[in-house]
Amino acid sequence: DSGVTQTPKHLITATGQRVTLRCSPRSGDLSVYWYQQSLDQGLQFLIQYYNGEERAKGNILERFSAQQFPDLHSELNLSSLELGDSALYFCASSVRGRGFDTSGYTFGSGTRLTVV
Amino acid sequence: GENVEQHPSTLSVQEGDSAVIKCTYSDSASNYFPWYKQELGKRPQLIIDIRSNVGEKKDQRIAVTLNKTAKHFSLHITETQPEDSAVYFCAAGGYQKVTFGTGTKLQVIP
Repeated sequence: DSGVTQTPKHLITATGQRVTLRCSPRSGDLSVYWYQQSLDQGLQFLIQYYNGEERAKGNILERFSAQQFPDLHSELNLSSLELGDSALYFCASSVRGRGFDTSGYTFGSGTRLTVV
Repeated sequence: GENVEQHPSTLSVQEGDSAVIKCTYSDSASNYFPWYKQELGKRPQLIIDIRSNVGEKKDQRIAVTLNKTAKHFSLHITETQPEDSAVYFCAAGGYQKVTFGTGTKLQVIP
């Protein structure tokens, strides 16, 4: 167990629907990062939150949004889902805003989203 | 922004041989270079990292080297074992975030 908790583990939904993925960071970590990994692809950075505030943005579609709550858990909202959104969505956490001061990123086990 | 290139995309080696994976990065401000191992269907896990003030770091059978002048860094795995088979990602980062390479699928043939 990495200490980063992602729910649900699997999600199957229809095109056009909206889903919410949840991430609880490792205890003490203030930063949360979201990544998308399509089949046999690399890790595409979506967005980073640090202590409740958006810190960096990557290739995140306008149909996607995220937030980090006061208890530091984060949610990634995906709307108007398309078949191409099917992927593994990973959350990672790190201490402070600098993910490189300690032991790098710690990844959760991911949420596998299937859009049918 | 940072751009990280990783080669090769696939690598097959015989058990016991060495494997080398190379990455280049574009942002000279990057100062942290981690490597992650991802087994099939599992989460990426940090296996080794190096900071810009260090040229080489070893941990048992794995080592990473960094050449800041040339902006490239490499992962070396010696005496490979079947359990080393996985996808390996390099990354380069600064304060805001780290950028991952596209991954190398390593297959160790028994």
